[in-house]
Amino acid sequence: GAVVSQHPSWVICKSGTSVKIECRSLDFQATTMFWYRQFPKQSLMLMATSNEGSKATYEQGVEKDKFLINHASLTLSTLTVTSAHPEDSSFYICSAPISGRDTGELFFGEGSRLTVL
Amino acid sequence: GENVEQHPSTLSVQEGDSAVIKCTYSDSASNYFPWYKQELGKRPQLIIDIRSNVGEKKDQRIAVTLNKTAKHFSLHITETQPEDSAVYFCAARDTGFQKLVFGTGTRLLVSP
Repeated sequence: GAVVSQHPSWVICKSGTSVKIECRSLDFQATTMFWYRQFPKQSLMLMATSNEGSKATYEQGVEKDKFLINHASLTLSTLTVTSAHPEDSSFYICSAPISGRDTGELFFGEGSRLTVL
Repeated sequence: GENVEQHPSTLSVQEGDSAVIKCTYSDSASNYFPWYKQELGKRPQLIIDIRSNVGEKKDQRIAVTLNKTAKHFSLHITETQPEDSAVYFCAARDTGFQKLVFGTGTRLLVSP
């Protein structure tokens, strides 16, 4: 099956610092990756769509300068939370469809739990 | 864009009973409707999905029904077991941008 690997699984940082989260598709190519954020006991909210070779598309209300997304290759997308603050503490999770297969199915990474002190 | 509503938010059943979770969506062009199970602190796991050209799909104790006219779909779990306890999310695929829009989630608790 398709595997998406996400690192780190958890991270604690000080307020004002930046944190990078990586998402890799291990056995398939992913020209598109979706980044979601999930607050405790809430649903998954789409933050942005990462596109290989072009700029990411951000959902309304998501600051693109705060949440930097880079889709460096067909298997790697990164999310950088810049100048993190306690309200950015959340569970961040990436997902990707298999390129070229329009099945709709998304394969999720393990998620990254960010705690900003 | 797509909007998905889900209910109930919590559902408690006795082991062996059936559980039903319902979702409605707004975009009549949406064509893919997956259901995910999420355990605490873990990634969502796809348990069943249905496409708009099918009205019902079943996989052992799990079934999903889709009513395109009414724009709602439901998850049915029969003979529930304690290990079915988790949060369940429905989703609909936004045909414009191919992204999944999730419902608000249902916390299912199956008591022995």
